[in-house]
Amino acid sequence: QVQLVQSGAEVKKPGASLKVSCKASGYTFTTYAIHWVRQAPGQRLEWMGWIHAGNGDTEYSPKFQDRVTIIRDTSASTAYMELSSLRYEDTAVYYCARATNWGFWGQGTLVTVSS
Amino acid sequence: QAVVTQEPSLTVSPGGTVTLTCGSSTGVVTSGHYPYWFQQKPGQAPRTLIYNTSGKHSWTPARFTGSLRGGKAALTLSGAQPEDEAEYCCLLFYRGVWVFGGGTKLTVL
Repeated sequence: QVQLVQSGAEVKKPGASLKVSCKASGYTFTTYAIHWVRQAPGQRLEWMGWIHAGNGDTEYSPKFQDRVTIIRDTSASTAYMELSSLRYEDTAVYYCARATNWGFWGQGTLVTVSS
Repeated sequence: QAVVTQEPSLTVSPGGTVTLTCGSSTGVVTSGHYPYWFQQKPGQAPRTLIYNTSGKHSWTPARFTGSLRGGKAALTLSGAQPEDEAEYCCLLFYRGVWVFGGGTKLTVL
């Protein structure tokens, strides 16, 4: 069965960088793109960007364009989302989701930015 | 960036019917926005109910229907069940960028 398993919760200091992983199983990784979405406490979901796992093409939300990088490792069937220059307001749950009908989501990774 | 709007909250009686809508600040919502609908319960990841306006996943209960109505995307719940109480969020596509709505808190009461 299709599964997306994300890395565990993290606590980061302001100004630091973050890297969250999303390991896919149960399907051919390179066939689909992977989205990254976040949800701050009490806020709406925010789309951050996506990567096509086959050719590595990416597209980013204008809001995160200058701070986010999404990459993938096809040998590990894993996508990664890197966010730099963390701010307190980056405290959120970060999700990955498989593109093409958004049918499958990771369990979410809680990231807390705190000094 | 476009703003996607939803009703902040709605209430439906058990067994009743309710329609949630999803509008766009850029104008009429069309199939070209590939409207999605997600259900989210507290502490859980979103679950995709509807894709591409009206497509259903294998796990989507038959009582949920997606459509375009009055220039907006719409999610109709017919025969509401207590377990349908949740936040419902829509998603629209704008030339390479995806934008979520603010969500509708649906109460079944």
